[in-house]
Amino acid sequence: QQQVKQSPQSLIVQKGGISIINCAYENTAFDYFPWYQQFPGKGPALLIAIRPDVSEKKEGRFTISFNKSAKQFSLHIMDSQPGDSATYFCAASNNNAGNMLTFGGGTRLMVKP
Amino acid sequence: DSGVTQTPKHLITATGQRVTLRCSPRSGDLSVYWYQQSLDQGLQFLIQYYNGEERAKGNILERFSAQQFPDLHSELNLSSLELGDSALYFCASSRNSGANVLTFGAGSRLTVL
Repeated sequence: QQQVKQSPQSLIVQKGGISIINCAYENTAFDYFPWYQQFPGKGPALLIAIRPDVSEKKEGRFTISFNKSAKQFSLHIMDSQPGDSATYFCAASNNNAGNMLTFGGGTRLMVKP
Repeated sequence: DSGVTQTPKHLITATGQRVTLRCSPRSGDLSVYWYQQSLDQGLQFLIQYYNGEERAKGNILERFSAQQFPDLHSELNLSSLELGDSALYFCASSRNSGANVLTFGAGSRLTVL
């Protein structure tokens, strides 16, 4: 059962543009929503995370938008740069279930110079 | 360098064989997680250990087993290998059992021919 659905699978954006990746979840018990960034040959690394008590979190050029009623959250990358080219994974976990992370399928982002 | 060390980086073997993947967690981290990353399945949680004890189990096949040793390093044993077991296997660690932030290693790429 895929509890976190991520789209699109791949995304091409021009340098300076906005990259938007969306995720939807089914389990209403999820209470932590991180995004991980993975470069080729490396493991995923935590990029930014949000809890459902806020609707938006911003860290530099990266913003998470969270819609609890729609059970959706998204990652926005402003002023996208070629160095942002990577695979991005959304994830979700439940504090009452051991905080086990359930990952989305991933989005391969390419930022063209 | 994330501080999580995985060996070997690459492994090629034949169907029916058995392999062992090794993981040393980041210094001070007590919990180890194993994930499988394949092209069509994304990141799938396999199993978690905390301070030597199994803490959570995900979609781990019966042919697979793992353990965490007193020095906190962990091994993932894969036996009776099938073509479909070809994947990247990631180890991640966290400070405690319920931590949200995982630090991933660079992964072990297994190819079963």
